[in-house]
Amino acid sequence: DTGVSQDPRHKITKRGQNVTFRCDPISEHNRLYWYRQTLGQGPEFLTYFQNEAQLEKSRLLSDRFSAERPKGSFSTLEIQRTEQGDSAMYLCASSLPWTGGGQETQYFGPGTRLLVL
Amino acid sequence: SQQGEEDPQALSIQEGENATMNCSYKTSINNLQWYRQNSGRGLVHLILIRSNEREKHSGRLRVTLDTSKKSSSLLITASRAADTASYFCATGAGFYTGANSKLTFGKGITLSVRP
Repeated sequence: DTGVSQDPRHKITKRGQNVTFRCDPISEHNRLYWYRQTLGQGPEFLTYFQNEAQLEKSRLLSDRFSAERPKGSFSTLEIQRTEQGDSAMYLCASSLPWTGGGQETQYFGPGTRLLVL
Repeated sequence: SQQGEEDPQALSIQEGENATMNCSYKTSINNLQWYRQNSGRGLVHLILIRSNEREKHSGRLRVTLDTSKKSSSLLITASRAADTASYFCATGAGFYTGANSKLTFGKGITLSVRP
């Protein structure tokens, strides 16, 4: 399977614990994005990388959240001291380098569903 | 904040009928993308239309874009029960290399296709 993969698919944790999610993008994609989706809503942008550089972070990404993409391939999203409000689906997407026509299609992974008890 | 607003919020049709879903947005865009999401799963990309395009087809899908009205529509012809899902429009405002190409999503439309 050459699509975007995410691990784990489900995570249940207790409030105050740290969690880490992994995303493996499509191999030739240099852009990688993280989104969060709560029930009944569309995904909301969290942050994105171009190769290993994290170029923008949303205001939704509090100090408890950190994302890395150390070698420009896979990425991790860590949430420290989880809160019940962090319960959501965390989606990763990747896209090809831009062409002259503008941004390219983002391909999404299956998501990691987080439940904080 | 969510830029796209889909209409209607929910749609129920009989198998074989056509489904039309609309999306409006507020700011200038480079492109608009439609995605499908089956319950509790990831998003599947359906189609991308750029701001200089007016209509695009892919199989049973037809997308139109009217930048003067800041609106788009997705038409699914000859619907099937397997089309039952949530549909999202997402806008991208990235016009040049280096700009943030994040997508801004609406809340989605729930489509039910009755067998």
